[in-house]
Amino acid sequence: DTGVSQNPRHKITKRGQNVTFRCDPISEHNRLYWYRQTLGQGPEFLTYFQNEAQLEKSRLLSDRFSAERPKGSFSTLEIQRTEQGDSAMYLCASRLAGNTGELFFGEGSRLTVL
Amino acid sequence: GESVGLHLPTLSVQEGDNSIINCAYSNSASDYFIWYKQESGKGPQFIIDIRSNMDKRQGQRVTVLLNKTVKHLSLQIAATQPGDSAVYFCAELGEYGNKLVFGAGTILRVKS
Repeated sequence: DTGVSQNPRHKITKRGQNVTFRCDPISEHNRLYWYRQTLGQGPEFLTYFQNEAQLEKSRLLSDRFSAERPKGSFSTLEIQRTEQGDSAMYLCASRLAGNTGELFFGEGSRLTVL
Repeated sequence: GESVGLHLPTLSVQEGDNSIINCAYSNSASDYFIWYKQESGKGPQFIIDIRSNMDKRQGQRVTVLLNKTVKHLSLQIAATQPGDSAVYFCAELGEYGNKLVFGAGTILRVKS
């Protein structure tokens, strides 16, 4: 297993367009997390799944953001009608529920909205 | 609400010296903390963790100290190397133990 995989690594889009990011977690991990990170800041929690169930969403997550994990394996994060303020690094992480709090992070998907 | 923050945004050290990165947290109920290292363009990488029933934990060249009285966490890096240059984050296991809450980060620059 090569760890948490995210793609695309970079995405440049025009304001108003929709974008989708994919995350493939470590295969035996049942918990999957999405974080957002802007320059000079720590990762900010967006949402997490346990298997296919989305258990928590941040209050900061607008209606334009939606995440899915349909089969409890990979996950997608879609942003509709992108705004310049959505420009950030989107990080995915996974772990086993019940284990320590350590999250294993992917390399992130960097979004630039023009 | 919960918050985890750092005292120093940037730390510059000479190669071979020891580095100390500090972190303050506000949730006295937190019982698990992690330090992550993040290099430019990469995701955060686990360094070391500590539970609240411990005051100190050592790894390879790194030591984490936890002072629950003043809600303070520190990361000590011995014999700092150029490869240690990165941003360091402390993170706290949030309410109900479901997610990590990160601080803003400290930039560590190692001068050769």
